[in-house]
Amino acid sequence: AQSVAQPEDQVNVAEGNPLTVKCTYSVSGNPYLFWYVQYPNRGLQFLLKYITGDNLVKGSYGFEAEFNKSQTSFHLKKPSALVSDSALYFCAVRDRRFTGGGNKLTFGTGTQLKVEL
Amino acid sequence: EAGVTQFPSHSVIEKGQTVTLRCDPISGHDNLYWYRRVMGKEIKFLLHFVKESKQDESGMPNNRFLAERTGGTYSTLKVQPAELEDSGVYFCASSQEGTNTGELFFGEGSRLTVL
Repeated sequence: AQSVAQPEDQVNVAEGNPLTVKCTYSVSGNPYLFWYVQYPNRGLQFLLKYITGDNLVKGSYGFEAEFNKSQTSFHLKKPSALVSDSALYFCAVRDRRFTGGGNKLTFGTGTQLKVEL
Repeated sequence: EAGVTQFPSHSVIEKGQTVTLRCDPISGHDNLYWYRRVMGKEIKFLLHFVKESKQDESGMPNNRFLAERTGGTYSTLKVQPAELEDSGVYFCASSQEGTNTGELFFGEGSRLTVL
């Protein structure tokens, strides 16, 4: 079975400061890893993914995430936070061995990011 | 291009009643998924359609839940009879055939409250 842990329910950061939203995962095989973001009253929106290759993945809105196989982590980062980044962030994993087609993702519980002036 | 649309956005029903949620995927997307988030918890997979066929329904909680996708276009998720623990936000997502590397397009969700 696969699982995702997001240890922080909420992360508070001042605008202009760097931010990190933590994610660790458990999967039998090698993972596909994802971050999704949910802005207020909106659906989940794809942010970035790690499939293969460079461990540092860059995504939308200046976000990036680093895949660390030894620590089974995929933390989301941004060098300088904006108030508009305030949203609910979900980490997700898919076992690479799942070849049945489609995207059955396992999500974490979400982390509320609050960026203040 | 229209995104994934879900209806209703919010439904409040009594325990024992029936509710039907609808999802219209992005046009041309053969893959359609239902997920659910119960208050404060993780988003959980319910099932996956490829066109009109159920590819994987391993996440469906019990037989009170029935999902259909007649004609391979929109999908409905019926809960009958609803129980208190069914409350949550039901998300629909779609993706193109062959793009099985995780990028799903989600709707805004249907919030279900069972009293």
